[in-house]
Amino acid sequence: QVQLQESGPGLVKPSETLSLTCTVSGGSINGYYWSWIRQPAGKGLEWIGRISTSESTNYNPSLKSRVNMSIDTSKNQFSLKLSSVTAADTAVYYCARDRGGRSFDFWGRGTLVTVSS
Amino acid sequence: SFELTQPPSVSVSPGQTATITCSGHKLGNKYASWYQQKPGQSPVLVIFQDTKRPSGIPERFSGSNSGNTASLTISGTQAMDEADYYCQSWDSTFWVFGGGTKLTVL
Repeated sequence: QVQLQESGPGLVKPSETLSLTCTVSGGSINGYYWSWIRQPAGKGLEWIGRISTSESTNYNPSLKSRVNMSIDTSKNQFSLKLSSVTAADTAVYYCARDRGGRSFDFWGRGTLVTVSS
Repeated sequence: SFELTQPPSVSVSPGQTATITCSGHKLGNKYASWYQQKPGQSPVLVIFQDTKRPSGIPERFSGSNSGNTASLTISGTQAMDEADYYCQSWDSTFWVFGGGTKLTVL
């Protein structure tokens, strides 16, 4: 069974860069896309972007200027960087396996990131 | 930009059929997926490619997609189905989620 685990600082200061890593276990990271999704408290899901194991990326147009994703297949990990954060970026951040037409079949448990000074 | 619109809430009596809709321009020309999310938990995929159920999802969950509207139908709704439901579709280069529908079983 594929498992995903998000990790990273739970508190980030305004204007700084949010950095998260997702570790994949129980299966290979190769051959799939891997997505990041976030959810502010009490609100809906927002897709941030995705990366393939060939490092092809797609980003949400509303966040594209601030997002960068990378992948390390040797460590079965992929990462998210979101720059110039504000309080509006406070949310639970999820990583998920993105199978394209088969959608997101495995999700991490999510990690809360709070933007505050 | 491509948007998906869901009703904020739907109510259903136990044992009855619940239908949650998701509207978007020419959505029927794309694939729609549905996720169930219970409080404090990660979303769970319940329908993909309009009508397909992942392994382990009960048969009472079904989907359809035509024209501008995709629908998630839960037949014989149970108390355990009370949750938020999100539709999702791909628009050329990015994923879009609907705003979510809170299903209340009462």
